[in-house]
Amino acid sequence: QKEVEQNSGPLSVPEGAIASLNCTYSDRGSQSFFWYRQYSGKSPELIMFIYSNGDKEDGRFTAQLNKASQYVSLLIRDSQPSDSATYLCAVIPNSGNTPLVFGKGTRLSVIA
Amino acid sequence: GAVVSQHPSWVICKSGTSVKIECRSLDFQATTMFWYRQFPKQSLMLMATSNEGSKATYEQGVEKDKFLINHASLTLSTLTVTSAHPEDSSFYICSVELGTSGLLRAYNEQFFGPGTRLTVL
Repeated sequence: QKEVEQNSGPLSVPEGAIASLNCTYSDRGSQSFFWYRQYSGKSPELIMFIYSNGDKEDGRFTAQLNKASQYVSLLIRDSQPSDSATYLCAVIPNSGNTPLVFGKGTRLSVIA
Repeated sequence: GAVVSQHPSWVICKSGTSVKIECRSLDFQATTMFWYRQFPKQSLMLMATSNEGSKATYEQGVEKDKFLINHASLTLSTLTVTSAHPEDSSFYICSVELGTSGLLRAYNEQFFGPGTRLTVL
């Protein structure tokens, strides 16, 4: 069974700090990794995707992928109260011809 | 990204009635759309993959006779919850897959509609 694991949180960080969100996945052949943000009562919105080992930066967000460790993370620099949301990690397993598998999400709370 | 709409945004109905939810891809012709369900404080659960012009592919445990999916055009997929009961109350979200099919599907992005909150009394 293909699984994506996230700590449910809540993860609380002070405003301006770096928030680090982590995700592990079970299918070693997974190829694509996505981070979505979901505000309460809203649908998910795509923040970043990463396919290759290493870091990918987009503004205040950095995604990190380590396929050997089956680990993907999202760093949020200069965290703002508006970043408070649930962050969902999603993975496309093995051959890529299957839909996204979502983790249960980590709830982030940025305290002003 | 793709712009996806859903209608209605929320609906309240009596037990036993049927409810139709529409998902539209406004700026992209979507061969594939997905339907998810999310219960409070739970993760997104994929219900089915909707394929234009063919039958939907349902996930294990999802009753295809209860959750009817029709993907009649490249911009519209509908989910009908038949004979809804209180346990069907949930947040239903559709998404479209943006990208090429086949071998490159691993790199496709999904964009979500705003969701439909269904409450069955």
